Amino acid sequence: GENVEQHPSTLSVQEGDSAVIKCTYSDSASNYFPWYKQELGKRPQLIIDIRSNVGEKKDQRIAVTLNKTAKHFSLHITETQPEDSAVYFCAASMLAGGTSYGKLTFGQGTILTVHP
Amino acid sequence: DTGVSQDPRHKITKRGQNVTFRCDPISEHNRLYWYRQTLGQGPEFLTYFQNEAQLEKSRLLSDRFSAERPKGSFSTLEIQRTEQGDSAMYLCASSIGQRSYEQYFGPGTRLTVT
Repeated sequence: GENVEQHPSTLSVQEGDSAVIKCTYSDSASNYFPWYKQELGKRPQLIIDIRSNVGEKKDQRIAVTLNKTAKHFSLHITETQPEDSAVYFCAASMLAGGTSYGKLTFGQGTILTVHP
Repeated sequence: DTGVSQDPRHKITKRGQNVTFRCDPISEHNRLYWYRQTLGQGPEFLTYFQNEAQLEKSRLLSDRFSAERPKGSFSTLEIQRTEQGDSAMYLCASSIGQRSYEQYFGPGTRLTVT
């Protein structure tokens, strides 16, 4: 089955700096890669996703890049703010014809702390 | 609140007891997923439904676990003869149609087995 590795496990940055979180996956059939943000005691929230037919996607201060050959993808947060502090999870799944086969395989998570 | 809801939010039970959790997906979402999350880890897939059909079950879902979605709307997850290792956050998520890959999570049920 799919295996997703996520690094680093913790990341501490100063407000205004950039943060990068990296994930690798094992199953070359995976073609959908979402990122979730989970604040303490709250539900995971989808913040951005990318499908394997594109190499990069951006939404304001957040961007995700994908390297299918190397089987890794990354989350980039620019101009970090204290409210970005949370646990971030990457995940991988397989879509066929736009329909999900269902399950997401998550990475272990990265605790991001943004210091004011 | 039109998001995914779960009940109860917290459950404390003694080892050996049975527990049941409920998940109400976003209205008209035909897919419903159950995940388990332990402290410091990402959610782990347990099972998912498309309408009332259970399409996939993880090997994590031992025979003490059973999930149902009888009318294709809400779902229940039952754990029989609970063990301390079952202590975790149980998350439900739902998705719909052509954007079925976008899973929206509920707040979870935190289970503590003493």
